Amino acid sequence: NAGVMQNPRHLVRRRGQEARLRCSPMKGHSHVYWYRQLPEEGLKFMVYLQKENIIDESGMPKERFSAEFPKEGPSILRIQQVVRGDSAAYFCASSPSGQRNPKLFFGSGTQLSVL
Amino acid sequence: GQSLEQPSEVTAVEGAIVQINCTYQTSGFYGLSWYQQHDGGAPTFLSYNALDGLEETGRFSSFLSRSDSYGYLLLQELQMKDSASYFCAVRSYNQGGKLIFGQGTELSVKP
Repeated sequence: NAGVMQNPRHLVRRRGQEARLRCSPMKGHSHVYWYRQLPEEGLKFMVYLQKENIIDESGMPKERFSAEFPKEGPSILRIQQVVRGDSAAYFCASSPSGQRNPKLFFGSGTQLSVL
Repeated sequence: GQSLEQPSEVTAVEGAIVQINCTYQTSGFYGLSWYQQHDGGAPTFLSYNALDGLEETGRFSSFLSRSDSYGYLLLQELQMKDSASYFCAVRSYNQGGKLIFGQGTELSVKP
């Protein structure tokens, strides 16, 4: 039973390029969350999605960032025109149900480095 | 809004007991969760308190007092492998269901 799968594990981009981070939730999970983490800091909420719906995107920067979770396929976090400040670890998590479920299952993260 | 506060770091010796506190400000929430993260890897779920009181899971216990807006994680019989970051987290009623994390406590276990 595979866990939450994120790829790539490491992603290097030059300023101005696009970064696409993929997340496949655990089998049977329909809720996906994206978090960002800087070194020595906590996990900052970005977006919460269900299949084909964005439930809460209050943590997403207004520009350059977008996320989707299509009916088929993985969830994608897309960062356009990356800047050095976007360098961070991006974690995806999934759960089988929504608000009352306290347990999220996390992937190993994607480390984004912007040169 | 909501915020959670934890000590930034704690040091203890093998075999000892350590308590990591978490104080929070939120208007209403489902419960308090704890997660462990080793060296920037995948955070893993440790414990959850929906109600006031103590929850025990092996060497780890977690406590919640809603009236005091306070909780803690208790680690007993510390082992070197317990060196990690520990995060408390809440899901509030009126924040759309997202899980909000504290800044984390770096636990260092010494021989």
